[in-house]
Amino acid sequence: GAGVSQSPSNKVTEKGKDVELRCDPISGHTALYWYRQSLGQGLEFLIYFQGNSAPDKSGLPSDRFSAERTGGSVSTLTIQRTQQEDSAVYLCASSSRQASSYEQYFGPGTRLTVT
Amino acid sequence: AQSVSQHNHHVILSEAASLELGCNYSYGGTVNLFWYVQYPGQHLQLLLKYFSGDPLVKGIKGFEAEFIKSKFSFNLRKPSVQWSDTAEYFCAVNSGNQGGKLIFGQGTELSVKP
Repeated sequence: GAGVSQSPSNKVTEKGKDVELRCDPISGHTALYWYRQSLGQGLEFLIYFQGNSAPDKSGLPSDRFSAERTGGSVSTLTIQRTQQEDSAVYLCASSSRQASSYEQYFGPGTRLTVT
Repeated sequence: AQSVSQHNHHVILSEAASLELGCNYSYGGTVNLFWYVQYPGQHLQLLLKYFSGDPLVKGIKGFEAEFIKSKFSFNLRKPSVQWSDTAEYFCAVNSGNQGGKLIFGQGTELSVKP
């Protein structure tokens, strides 16, 4: 079946602008995660949604970052007033809470460049 | 706080050489352990995982890893690498019974010379 998809694949924006990144998880997966991958910081957890529970926002680096998940499916990560240090690859992953393994399946990522 | 340490940042091997990539984690409770691989230009893929039972787990493409609880380690091994194994390898951990966020190591870049 279809995997996790993300859009856009690449985004170049000017410092100070807002950006929205989209994630479509695997159909039926109830858990959705956002991570970012940057030089020097490696792979960092940002936020986690599980069903109707309150999201785990503990990894968001500042209040300029927010995310929502509509209808338990598609998620949007929003970065307001982008800064150059926000440049990174933003990865989305989903998993089936029903599986005992909690394996996460990753999308191809969105490469964000802030100029 | 949980943390994961991968000791090797860049490993260069010739084809047919044996591989062992180190991974240590810091967490006192029950953990789930993973190795992910990222081939050039591709997205992260799961190589193998440990949740419970036999501490020696086998994954795809001939990879295996051994969970040694007393050493907080989950090293990745392959007896004979191929050029196609050139990739970046990430060790990750999350807490048992929660299925939540993954904490990743810094990654190890493996280059295999033909």
